[in-house]
Amino acid sequence: DAKTTQPTSMDCAEGRAANLPCNHSTISGNEYVYWYRQIHSQGPQYIIHGLKNNETNEMASLIITEDRKSSTLILPHATLRDTAVYYCIVSPPNTGGFKTIFGAGTRLFVKA
Amino acid sequence: GAGVSQSPRYKVAKRGQDVALRCDPISGHVSLFWYQQALGQGPEFLTYFQNEAQLDKSGLPSDRFFAERPEGSVSTLKIQRTQQEDSAVYLCASSHGVSKNIQYFGAGTRLSVL
Repeated sequence: DAKTTQPTSMDCAEGRAANLPCNHSTISGNEYVYWYRQIHSQGPQYIIHGLKNNETNEMASLIITEDRKSSTLILPHATLRDTAVYYCIVSPPNTGGFKTIFGAGTRLFVKA
Repeated sequence: GAGVSQSPRYKVAKRGQDVALRCDPISGHVSLFWYQQALGQGPEFLTYFQNEAQLDKSGLPSDRFFAERPEGSVSTLKIQRTQQEDSAVYLCASSHGVSKNIQYFGAGTRLSVL
């Protein structure tokens, strides 16, 4: 079972900020929060990750609550090309011997 | 190329036929993952390699599924005696494997079993 809970779908107007929530109430102390997105007919693409501090890169910002039980991915100025399925994943930082669980994700529709 | 490459992009098989799906990871990446993605669902973990060692194969759905990475680079996912329920997109991802867990995915192989 997925360790995260996300809304099934969301809409956003082009040019506005898209705020995608994720609940991960059972997250462990050493687990990071990762976000990926999958555009139709492509493989998932890494967006951003964080442990407890807020993070920002050229694609998005990640806001993690102080208790780490939830987070929000922010796309500051959504474009039509941001229409995709967004996956929130919790995982330890080392890749050795773990199973990545994606869940169903949030389908974001950016509308003109 | 610089990314993860999968071949073929599309594969049509008759039920009962064996298929082999190839993954070329990013050069130097230690970790390699295979996933199965059914239509409208998220990717489901199949198996994981660290170099040539298959450390986790708990997601393989049956003994008809077999994966190998003999030289720690290219990997092959083999499905024997394909069934209709094997129809899905098979995704490969690689990761540098050192203190980060950022996975880089290929575009996948879409398998249709008729």
